[in-house]
Amino acid sequence: QSVLTQPPSASGTPGQRVTISCSGSGSNIGRNALNWYQQLPGTAPKLLIYRSNQRPSGVPDRFSGSKSGTSASLAISGLQSEDEADYYCAAWDDSLNSVVFGGGTKLTVL
Amino acid sequence: EVQLVQSGAEVKKPGESLKISCKASGYTFSSNWIGWVRQMPGKGLEWMGIIFPADSDTKYSPAFQGQVILSVDTSTNTAFLQWTSLKASDSAMYYCARRIAVAGWFDHWGRGTLVTVSS
Repeated sequence: QSVLTQPPSASGTPGQRVTISCSGSGSNIGRNALNWYQQLPGTAPKLLIYRSNQRPSGVPDRFSGSKSGTSASLAISGLQSEDEADYYCAAWDDSLNSVVFGGGTKLTVL
Repeated sequence: EVQLVQSGAEVKKPGESLKISCKASGYTFSSNWIGWVRQMPGKGLEWMGIIFPADSDTKYSPAFQGQVILSVDTSTNTAFLQWTSLKASDSAMYYCARRIAVAGWFDHWGRGTLVTVSS
């Protein structure tokens, strides 16, 4: 059972907006940077969002993040087939002295 | 350009030792933490630990403390993940990644090293 809680699956049709949630606690999301990683099938994870809502260069602005208290969300607008991937949230946990990951959300583009 | 090049796939028997590598380039190796992440077949990401190359300060996940050893060679800008006695349950993909601060994020990832442990 993961310290950060994500829905196991999400789906949408091309062009739609989908959101993926991530729930944690005061020792992780509540205090530290919340980050999102995208893992396309058969590839390594890639940083998608850092510090809740910052995009690394090269990440399309269709991807956005937000955080409120001990929860965070990743939103993908204008959904495209190439967005089909696993998405993970992660943060440092001050109580566990560990990086904690969510269990991952498999996004299907219908 | 930051690059992390990981060593090739390994097939080992239970009880054998193994050391896999992650060679960094494109940045000052000593200045950033390097972490390791396990992904078992069909499963999610699990953090194993991080190491700071400048002084080899290391933080292990409680789940992996005592099970693996993280090390670096600053002369070759290479990080290592080591097992002294492999188990079948160590079969997984292992990723190295550069970390921006302990409480930060992994901004660049290697392509992964697949480890298969089977008798």
